[in-house]
Amino acid sequence: GQQLNQSPQSMFIQEGEDVSMNCTSSSIFNTWLWYKQDPGEGPVLLIALYKAGELTSNGRLTAQFGITRKDSFLNISASIPSDVGIYFCAGQAGTSYGKLTFGQGTILTVHP
Amino acid sequence: DAGVIQSPRHEVTEMGQEVTLRCKPISGHNSLFWYRQTMMRGLELLIYFNNNVPIDDSGMPEDRFSAKMPNASFSTLKIQPSEPRDSAVYFCASSILAGGDEQYFGPGTRLTVT
Repeated sequence: GQQLNQSPQSMFIQEGEDVSMNCTSSSIFNTWLWYKQDPGEGPVLLIALYKAGELTSNGRLTAQFGITRKDSFLNISASIPSDVGIYFCAGQAGTSYGKLTFGQGTILTVHP
Repeated sequence: DAGVIQSPRHEVTEMGQEVTLRCKPISGHNSLFWYRQTMMRGLELLIYFNNNVPIDDSGMPEDRFSAKMPNASFSTLKIQPSEPRDSAVYFCASSILAGGDEQYFGPGTRLTVT
């Protein structure tokens, strides 16, 4: 089945720094999604990507759908303490209609 | 607008007891998904429904797990009998498209089986 490798597993940064994380897949995906999960809550959708090469922003967040369709990247600029949480990538392959495959998550800690 | 609603938020039960988790999807959404999240296995899809019909239940771990969606605004996930290894956070998510990509998650139910 599809597998997603998300990296890094965790990040410790200073407030104001930029953050980059990525996901790679063993197979081609038609859709990439990025979610953020706060403690005790469900994942919240941040950005959805539907086209290879697509670059989409949501405030300080920017995500890209890789050209090979096997990877995606999320960047957070000028991090703030409330960016703390777990970030998940998720992808949907054309052969798995309705099913999302999730990465293992990147734990982000922001020091004030 | 109300998001996905799940109840209860926390459930503690003894091994062997029946557990029922409930979900109300976002109004107008056609698809509903049940996930389980653990530290070891991350987020796992258990089952999903399109227009109240179960489409794929291949993620349901075993016969002790069952899910129903009697109407467009309600779904249940039942575990009978429960076991300690079922302890996890169970999420319900819904999407507007049949088998849709943009899934919106509820707050989850934290289940502890002792």
